[in-house]
Amino acid sequence: DGGITQSPKYLFRKEGQNVTLSCEQNLNHDAMYWYRQDPGQGLRLIYYSQIVNDFQKGDIAEGYSVSREKKESFPLTVTSAQKNPTAFYLCASSNRQGVHTDTQYFGPGTRLTVL
Amino acid sequence: GEDVEQSLFLSVREGDSSVINCTYTDSSSTYLYWYKQEPGAGLQLLTYIFSNMDMKQDQRLTVLLNKKDKHLSLRIADTQTGDSAIYFCAESPSNDYKLSFGAGTTVTVRA
Repeated sequence: DGGITQSPKYLFRKEGQNVTLSCEQNLNHDAMYWYRQDPGQGLRLIYYSQIVNDFQKGDIAEGYSVSREKKESFPLTVTSAQKNPTAFYLCASSNRQGVHTDTQYFGPGTRLTVL
Repeated sequence: GEDVEQSLFLSVREGDSSVINCTYTDSSSTYLYWYKQEPGAGLQLLTYIFSNMDMKQDQRLTVLLNKKDKHLSLRIADTQTGDSAIYFCAESPSNDYKLSFGAGTTVTVRA
């Protein structure tokens, strides 16, 4: 089955700890994205990557870091510098080749709670 | 997304039609999207419309686009309890592959 997987589904972190959220896709998509979702605020873009070994900051990148060493993987690290990390995190990917290059497909999400 | 606006809540009776409205600001948007999010899940692409179209129908879903007013709507015919979810409108500005999302409309279907 082709798709996007995120793990873990639920994650708990103590204050001051870094934590890494996994995102993997087997859709052969070039671009990948990380969003944060808070109640009533829709989705806000954290980081995105158009190709391997390249990524750009989104609207709320402070306190987060990413890497894109492989086409299928785009892990997100939530660092201790992120002031309010408790949220639902969504990963997405899109195909930058051919038609409908902007259509993004989403993973099931990871809910991060800071204790 | 401050560029895309939606009403936050909609309550509809089972069997009636639901209409979810969205306004956007970027007149150069290429595609406009509707996504559905069920509780605790990711976003599921429902449908999209290309900016040179006025209407698109897909089974129970009808998308209407008024480019002059920058207004997009999603109509769900014969709304069922399984349609209860948050619906997000998103625009894709041309020359920018990032999507701008609205805050989402929570649709509640009552018996």
